[in-house]
Amino acid sequence: DSGVTQTPKHLITATGQRVTLRCSPRSGDLSVYWYQQSLDQGLQFLIQYYNGEERAKGNILERFSAQQFPDLHSELNLSSLELGDSALYFCASSVEVDLVAEQFFGPGTRLTVL
Amino acid sequence: GNSVTQMEGPVTLSEEAFLTINCTYTATGYPSLFWYVQYPGEGLQLLLKATKADDKGSNKGFEATYRKETTSFHLEKGSVQVSDSAVYFCALRTFGNEKLTFGTGTRLTIIP
Repeated sequence: DSGVTQTPKHLITATGQRVTLRCSPRSGDLSVYWYQQSLDQGLQFLIQYYNGEERAKGNILERFSAQQFPDLHSELNLSSLELGDSALYFCASSVEVDLVAEQFFGPGTRLTVL
Repeated sequence: GNSVTQMEGPVTLSEEAFLTINCTYTATGYPSLFWYVQYPGEGLQLLLKATKADDKGSNKGFEATYRKETTSFHLEKGSVQVSDSAVYFCALRTFGNEKLTFGTGTRLTIIP
């Protein structure tokens, strides 16, 4: 158990819908990262927050947005869902943002868009 | 930019066989290198890491050496077990860019 929790574990929804994925980082970790794992794209970085502020953006679609709240939990919002958004979405957290700080991964949320 | 090229899978080995999973990288700046493992139905776990050239990361019998001259970080284990069956990801990070850049992953299956 990494200490990072993600809810829900599974999510099945229809095209055009909007969903929210939630992540609670390890106690004391200030940095949260979101990654998408899909069969065709592999594991890709989406976005990073540090202590409530957006710090880095990766290959995140405009239909997707995220935020980190004062209690440091984070939410990833996916809207106007398409079939291709079906993937495993991981959240990771780390204490700091330095080069060697380990990122601890949650168990993921599996999103299926029908 | 940063990229990681990883040995294509899947890889199937018999128990107690020697394992090598190749990983090479390109990076803008000086990277730290990682191997992550994903067991079925679980998230990624850090297996080992190395932060500078010639460092050797090791854990659970796995080893990888940071080779700057060949830009490689190959994963090895001398005698694999059935419990090592998982997907292995090579990854890197560079200073000022804390996101991890992953390889495509290698699915390893160990048969008794």
